[in-house]
Amino acid sequence: GAGVSQSPSNKVTEKGKDVELRCDPISGHTALYWYRQRLGQGLEFLIYFQGNSAPDKSGLPSDRFSAERTGESVSTLTIQRTQQEDSAVYLCASSPWTSSNTEAFFGQGTRLTVV
Amino acid sequence: AQTVTQSQPEMSVQEAETVTLSCTYDTSESDYYLFWYKQPPSRQMILVIRQEAYKQQNATENRFSVNFQKAAKSFSLKISDSQLGDAAMYFCAYSAAGKSTFGDGTTLTVKP
Repeated sequence: GAGVSQSPSNKVTEKGKDVELRCDPISGHTALYWYRQRLGQGLEFLIYFQGNSAPDKSGLPSDRFSAERTGESVSTLTIQRTQQEDSAVYLCASSPWTSSNTEAFFGQGTRLTVV
Repeated sequence: AQTVTQSQPEMSVQEAETVTLSCTYDTSESDYYLFWYKQPPSRQMILVIRQEAYKQQNATENRFSVNFQKAAKSFSLKISDSQLGDAAMYFCAYSAAGKSTFGDGTTLTVKP
């Protein structure tokens, strides 16, 4: 596809269950980001992948959160033992490696509701 | 580490008036880009305007313009002739060496 694709667009899960969120970046984009956005709030950085470099995991809020990316393709964000405070929109973005002109392209996000 | 600060969590403007959103950043890089993104209620992030740090001339895109003060590390967004469709959350972003950093956002309300 032409843009960043995220699935599912909405997810309702029971407290304590694990969830997997998927992000398909734009083809050829080496950088991939995950952000969390609570209702009416700003972007909370979670994790950053750049090519084959070690990911920057400094934003992951707890060890219940993890993310993987294979090469420069799909990424999955996994939240284990979900809690109600995990309810938020999870946004994925990708960008190409072209010097410093790295505009980020965002997906539509996954709205996660933990009940 | 690079940081981006948006000191105004919320702003409001009357339709047809002008509003300025503030952004400051901290960096030791000399080559970087700055961006303003808009996130309407649909939550799809849209690029509004970009500025190359090596360019002294302020970027302009129709009703949107920036005031880039490199020495002060300031990058404000001016919206002229505000329209109801401008209501959104606006994010300032810095990019260098392949990585973007975003501010916390400013929610803009446009009053009819």
